[in-house]
Amino acid sequence: DIQMTQSPSSVSASVGDRVTITCRASQGISSWLAWYQQKPGKAPKLLIYAASSLQSGVPSRFSGSGSGTDFTLTISSLQPEDFATYYCQQANSFPLLTFGGGTKVEIK
Amino acid sequence: QLQLQESGPGLVKPSETLSLTCTVSGGSISSSSYYWGWIRQPPGKGLEWIGSIYYSGSTYYNPSLKSRVTISVDTSKNQFSLKLSSVTAADTAVYYCARFRRGGVGDAFDIWGQGTMVTVSS
Repeated sequence: DIQMTQSPSSVSASVGDRVTITCRASQGISSWLAWYQQKPGKAPKLLIYAASSLQSGVPSRFSGSGSGTDFTLTISSLQPEDFATYYCQQANSFPLLTFGGGTKVEIK
Repeated sequence: QLQLQESGPGLVKPSETLSLTCTVSGGSISSSSYYWGWIRQPPGKGLEWIGSIYYSGSTYYNPSLKSRVTISVDTSKNQFSLKLSSVTAADTAVYYCARFRRGGVGDAFDIWGQGTMVTVSS
């Protein structure tokens, strides 16, 4: 099984800050990685697919990078609506899928 | 646009079977580009993939739940369903259904239902 480890588990930041979240796979997954944003009481929302491709309608301040085992999600200038929990998910072992444990972005 | 809606009991007794249905509207469940999945989230915890199904009926399950999970599809009703047997309090969670797009644009769950809370308690 491919395990996905996110760090940090939580981060405190201010509006306007640059925020970077890391996701590490237990084995190489090429670029088969997606990122999701989840706000309290809501379903997750797809932000990034194929490690670095922005889903339609997602603001350009979100970006993803990486391949193999190490990936990052970057928010270039944190906005009030970006305070949420972010999850990575690998699809290299499709149809078996795995999510990371999540990173909560909190207000500083 | 395509929408997914979960339905089913919000309370299930321990040792019984949890049953949920996801109704797909605004599009066909029989599209060749998509799989249909169930994901759950215990209170205050992260997301766990339960399993997925293709419209042909091919199923794929999380190995940790495989012995207790059955996912089925009814293309005539544009629905797919989840059954989880022998439930315990550890199965208390919000259960989401979602569409997984495969190939071409990029593999990911791109459309989600709103989720339904299921509590296991006597």
